[in-house]
Amino acid sequence: DIQMTQSPSSLYASVGDRVTITCRASQSISSFLNWYQQKPGKAPELLIYGVFNLQSGVPSRFSGSGSGTHFTLTISSLQPEDFATYHCQQSYSTTWTFGQGTKVEIK
Amino acid sequence: QITLKESGPTLVKPTQTLTLTCTFSGFSLSTSGVGVGWIRQPPKKALEYLALIYWGDDKRYSPSLKNRLIITKDTSKNQVVLTMTNMDPVDTATYYCVHRLISGGHRAFNSWGQGILVTVSS
Repeated sequence: DIQMTQSPSSLYASVGDRVTITCRASQSISSFLNWYQQKPGKAPELLIYGVFNLQSGVPSRFSGSGSGTHFTLTISSLQPEDFATYHCQQSYSTTWTFGQGTKVEIK
Repeated sequence: QITLKESGPTLVKPTQTLTLTCTFSGFSLSTSGVGVGWIRQPPKKALEYLALIYWGDDKRYSPSLKNRLIITKDTSKNQVVLTMTNMDPVDTATYYCVHRLISGGHRAFNSWGQGILVTVSS
């Protein structure tokens, strides 16, 4: 299995802050990296696929970058509705794996 | 609009077999490229991929769970069924049904069911 490791596991931030979350793969996954947002008690929702492609309806303050084994999700100006848990996922192998999640909490 | 909904027991006993059904709408599992899968999430833990079935009946299982899982589809009923044998308390989780997106060669789960919490306890 390809292992996905996110950092940090959690972070505290304020509305308006720029937030960056990192995801590392245990081997190269090219650009097959997706990001999901999950709010408490809800199913995850696709944010970004293929490293930087925003899913329809996702605000432009979200962006993704990286390739190979190192990827980042950036929220340029954190909004109240962005406090949630973010998961990365590799789709390089047909047995998809997720990171452990990063919880973004209010400072 | 794609919708998916999970159904099945919310409480199973250890060693029993779990059978979950995903009923979906807004797409057909007989259309080339379509895939439907299952993801689970133990309470306060990470998401875990379980299995995926494709339009041509190809199947992909989690290597760590493949001996316990069977995924099937009924295209006429717009349903996908997941069977997991020999349930254990560590299998307590919310189980999600998902639709697989393909766009520009990239693959992701773009639609999720609401999830069903399955508790394994005697």
